[in-house]
Amino acid sequence: SAVISQKPSRDICQRGTSLTIQCQVDSQVTMMFWYRQQPGQSLTLIATANQGSEATYESGFVIDKFPISRPNLTFSTLTVSNMSPEDSSIYLCSVGAGGNQPQHFGDGTRLSIL
Amino acid sequence: AQSVAQPEDQVNVAEGNPLTVKCTYSVSGNPYLFWYVQYPNRGLQFLLKYITGDNLVKGSYGFEAEFNKSQTSFHLKKPSALVSDSALYFCAVTSNDYKLSFGAGTTVTVRA
Repeated sequence: SAVISQKPSRDICQRGTSLTIQCQVDSQVTMMFWYRQQPGQSLTLIATANQGSEATYESGFVIDKFPISRPNLTFSTLTVSNMSPEDSSIYLCSVGAGGNQPQHFGDGTRLSIL
Repeated sequence: AQSVAQPEDQVNVAEGNPLTVKCTYSVSGNPYLFWYVQYPNRGLQFLLKYITGDNLVKGSYGFEAEFNKSQTSFHLKKPSALVSDSALYFCAVTSNDYKLSFGAGTTVTVRA
């Protein structure tokens, strides 16, 4: 399976600032996804990162808050903008081929907002 | 709409005993079912999947899962648990789509 590297692995940020999380894959992949895992909770899909076009956001998530880039088939970034303590979560990147193929996950970015 | 229920927040077993983590699902159409494990400070690791065919699927680290269509269940099992199996386990479902719906997770603690 693909090797997925996420940076940074963790960060502590001040409210009102923004942080960009990077996701690098060691092979070209069709689909890349960004998830949020709030403390003690399950994973929620934020958006699907589409190569060459705008990301597809899930209900409750908007581009102004979570802008996503996908410049090629091996790389994507997620920015968490104007952060508040409620944004303290683990943010996970995953890759997959869709359908009956499993998604594979990076180790996540653990974000705390003060 | 699709959803997954993991009815147990925590499962505690003694090392060497059988381990079962329960999962039920709801989906329109044929389900694709997955189990993942998450260790502290790590992402999710894929354990096994059910797509079609044999109802008993075998996966990594000695885990297996049984698909039961009539009960819409996909329980994860391991005949003899290890202390190193202590982790957070997630069941997920999709149907002819790429969007996974995850359960709330079950924390497994295996005591020595």
